[in-house]
Amino acid sequence: LVLTQSPATLSLSPGERATLSCGASQSVSSRFLAWYQQKPGLAPRLLIYDASNRATDIPDRFSGSGSGTDFTLTISRLEPEDFAVYYCQHYGGSPRVTFGQGTRLEIK
Amino acid sequence: QVLLQESGPGLVKPSQTLSLTCTVSGASITGGTYFWSWIRQHPGKGLEWIGYIYYTGSTFYNSSLMDRLSMSVDTSKNQFSLTLNSVTAADTAVYYCARIGLTTGYFGPWGQGTLVTVSS
Repeated sequence: LVLTQSPATLSLSPGERATLSCGASQSVSSRFLAWYQQKPGLAPRLLIYDASNRATDIPDRFSGSGSGTDFTLTISRLEPEDFAVYYCQHYGGSPRVTFGQGTRLEIK
Repeated sequence: QVLLQESGPGLVKPSQTLSLTCTVSGASITGGTYFWSWIRQHPGKGLEWIGYIYYTGSTFYNSSLMDRLSMSVDTSKNQFSLTLNSVTAADTAVYYCARIGLTTGYFGPWGQGTLVTVSS
């Protein structure tokens, strides 16, 4: 299984809407598709699990959707603290855990 | 609150063995519904899953590393460990330990990460 994230870099301004994509090389269960946010020098933080469920304390401007081979993370209105790198991750295939290569969300 | 903390040498010589330990606090490693995992991140790059271990000692490894990789668990100390043999500069990375749910498949919490540099 390969997860391909696009775009590699996304340049937007605070207040804009961000749409990040994660494509799977084969159909996967949305049951085990997660999204993480990583800021410099810190460990990743879980944002979304089961493709569309927000993790604890994650603001509702973050939402996830998708099924099969196409998944999306949407940030409805960007806040300054949202500029970071985002990873999708799948569990249960081969290999057992797969990460996408990441999308860097930068301030325009 | 469940906390994970990596420990081990920050510098390893080429061809030698990298050994790291993750100490878990706030929960028992024998809790039963979690795997205990290692993930690494090469400088400026993405996340690479290394493998995970169940408290019984059952392991699942990334096939790209399994020839050099070993994981173990010490339930008496509430720790799990990673050993990577015959390291090269390509093994230089930040190594994270993290918990992953057996039936949920997502990681959390994570340790803060530890940078391991392979250099003579």
